[in-house]
Amino acid sequence: DIQMTQSPSSLSASVGDRVTITCRASQSISSHLNWYQQKPGKAPKVLIYAASNLQSGVPSRFSGSGSGTDFTLTISSLQPEDFATYYCQQSHSAPLTFGGGTKVESK
Amino acid sequence: QVQLQESGPGLVKPSQTLSLTCTVSGGSMSSGSDYWSWIRQPAGKGLEWIGRIYTSGYTNYNPSLKSRVTISVDTSKNQFSLSLSSVTAADTAVYYCARATLVRGVISYWYFDLWGRGTLVTVSS
Repeated sequence: DIQMTQSPSSLSASVGDRVTITCRASQSISSHLNWYQQKPGKAPKVLIYAASNLQSGVPSRFSGSGSGTDFTLTISSLQPEDFATYYCQQSHSAPLTFGGGTKVESK
Repeated sequence: QVQLQESGPGLVKPSQTLSLTCTVSGGSMSSGSDYWSWIRQPAGKGLEWIGRIYTSGYTNYNPSLKSRVTISVDTSKNQFSLSLSSVTAADTAVYYCARATLVRGVISYWYFDLWGRGTLVTVSS
């Protein structure tokens, strides 16, 4: 199985801050990496697919980068609605696996 | 637009079988190259992929659950289902059904673009 390790597991930030979340795969997954946002009581929602492609309708303050084993999700200017938990997920090979999540909280 | 809805018992006794169905509305399951998955999330924890099925019936399961899981599809009803046997308290979770869509290119990519709202299943006597 491909292990996905996210860091940090939580962070505190203020509106307007630049936020960076990293995800590391235990082996190369090329660009088969997706990012999701989940709010309490809701299903996850895709933000970025194939490492750097912005899903339709997602604000441009979200961006993704990386390939191989190291990936980054960046929120350029944190907005109030961005306080949530973020997950990376590899779609390179089964079993599909998710990172442990990063909870973005208000400072 | 296409929507997914999970249904099934919210309470299952230990050692019994958990059965859930995901109904796809607003479009046909067979219309594309998508596959259909079950994903679960224990309270306060992360996401665990259970398995997937293509409309052809081909399946992949998470090895950690493989001996207990069956996913099936009924395209005539636009539904796919999850069966998880011999459940214990560790199987208590919110269960999501989800669609993975294919992005074709020089390299093709999959991602979960559509999710159900999730259904809480509690394993307790």
